[in-house]
Amino acid sequence: NAGVTQTPKFRILKIGQSMTLQCTQDMNHNYMYWYRQDPGMGLKLIYYSVGAGITDKGEVPNGYNVSRSTTEDFPLRLELAAPSQTSVYFCASSYGDSQETQYFGPGTRLLVL
Amino acid sequence: KQEVTQIPAALSVPEGENLVLNCSFTDSAIYNLQWFRQDPGKGLTSLLLIQSSQREQTSGRLNASLDKSSGRSTLYIAASQPGDSATYLCAVKGDQTGANNLFFGTGTRLTVIP
Repeated sequence: NAGVTQTPKFRILKIGQSMTLQCTQDMNHNYMYWYRQDPGMGLKLIYYSVGAGITDKGEVPNGYNVSRSTTEDFPLRLELAAPSQTSVYFCASSYGDSQETQYFGPGTRLLVL
Repeated sequence: KQEVTQIPAALSVPEGENLVLNCSFTDSAIYNLQWFRQDPGKGLTSLLLIQSSQREQTSGRLNASLDKSSGRSTLYIAASQPGDSATYLCAVKGDQTGANNLFFGTGTRLTVIP
C-alpha cells in the first residue's frame, strides 16, 4: 500500500491565483482530513470528510473548499490565494473517528507571494 | 477550547541518554492522546496512542504515560540514538462526537548528538 499520497510536494503561487492540492489514500479509509501547519504552530484542521459525498468544516476553513466524490480522493481547493495561506498542508486518513489513529501524507509546501 | 502545550520547544542530548518529553492539555475530557514523530519534509507517523482509560503505552524504547486528571502526558525515550532526531508532537482527541476535535501541540524538536 502507498498509504496517503499528496501532490504537488511544493508550489509557489501568486496572490489571487487558484490551485488544487491532491490527496489520495489506498487504505479504504472512511475518514479524511486536511490540516495546515504554520511555522512553530501545531496542526490545525481545515476540512474533514466522514465518507464520499460528506464534508464538514474544521477550525480554519476560510479560503478553502473541498469535495469527496470517491472514497480514495479528497482534494483541497484554494481560491484567490493569499499570503496568509503560505503553509505546509497535510492530508490524513483514518478508518474510523474514535480510537483509530490517523495516517498522514508527506505534505505539500505552499508559498504565496 | 482545548489548548495543548509542549515543553521544551527544542532539546539536544548526547547519544545514549534517556530523556522525557512533556505534553500538557487544558481540558481533561479527552478520548485519547497520541504521540507522533515528524521528520523534516515528511508527514507525521503515529508512535503511541493512549486511550483515556489507560495510564501508559510502550513500544520498544518508547514509553508514554497519561495523567488525565492533571492534564499531562510524558514520552520517555530510553537509550536515545541519532536516528531519534525529529520533532515529536502530541495530539489530544476530545471526547465529543465528531472528527473535528483533534488538537495538536507545537512539538518538541529533538536532536541526539552522536
